[in-house]
Amino acid sequence: QKEVEQNSGPLSVPEGAIASLNCTYSDRGSQSFFWYRQYSGKSPELIMSIYSNGDKEDGRFTAQLNKASQYVSLLIRDSQPSDSATYLCAVEGYQKVTFGTGTKLQVIP
Amino acid sequence: GAVVSQHPSWVICKSGTSVKIECRSLDFQATTMFWYRQFPKKSLMLMATSNEGSKATYEQGVEKDKFLINHASLTLSTLTVTSAHPEDSSFYICSALGQLSTYEQYFGPGTRLTVT
Repeated sequence: QKEVEQNSGPLSVPEGAIASLNCTYSDRGSQSFFWYRQYSGKSPELIMSIYSNGDKEDGRFTAQLNKASQYVSLLIRDSQPSDSATYLCAVEGYQKVTFGTGTKLQVIP
Repeated sequence: GAVVSQHPSWVICKSGTSVKIECRSLDFQATTMFWYRQFPKKSLMLMATSNEGSKATYEQGVEKDKFLINHASLTLSTLTVTSAHPEDSSFYICSALGQLSTYEQYFGPGTRLTVT
């Protein structure tokens, strides 16, 4: 059973702080990793994809991948109230993408 | 780029009727699209994978005769909920695969279905 696990939260951080979202996966053959943001009542939006070990930065977002530890994370710097949403981790392995259940992030003004 | 639309955005129908939901990739060709449903405060549940020109692949537990999927062109997939029941009320979301090599999925805005 391929699994993607996330802490459901809510994760509360003050405005301006760094939010750290974590995800673990079970399939060692996974090749592609994604972070989606989903606002309440809306559909998911792709915000980051990462394919190799290390860090990938895009604006205030940094994705980190450690395949040896089967761990992927998303850092949000200078968190804003507009970042409050559920963040879904998704992992591709053998041509199938599995989504985690998501972590709810609350940024407190 | 990578815009996916869905129509309608919301629909109310009576029990026993059928409802069709359209999913279109607006600025790219999508050989593969996915259909999900999501209940309030729950995670995405993949219903089926839709490939252009071939039969959809349904996930375990999803009734293929109830949820009819057609992917007749590279930009359009449709989901028809047949003989709808109140328990089919949910948020239905489609996504399209941008490129097979990256597996990045681009989601439509979703369709909220209410069956009365």
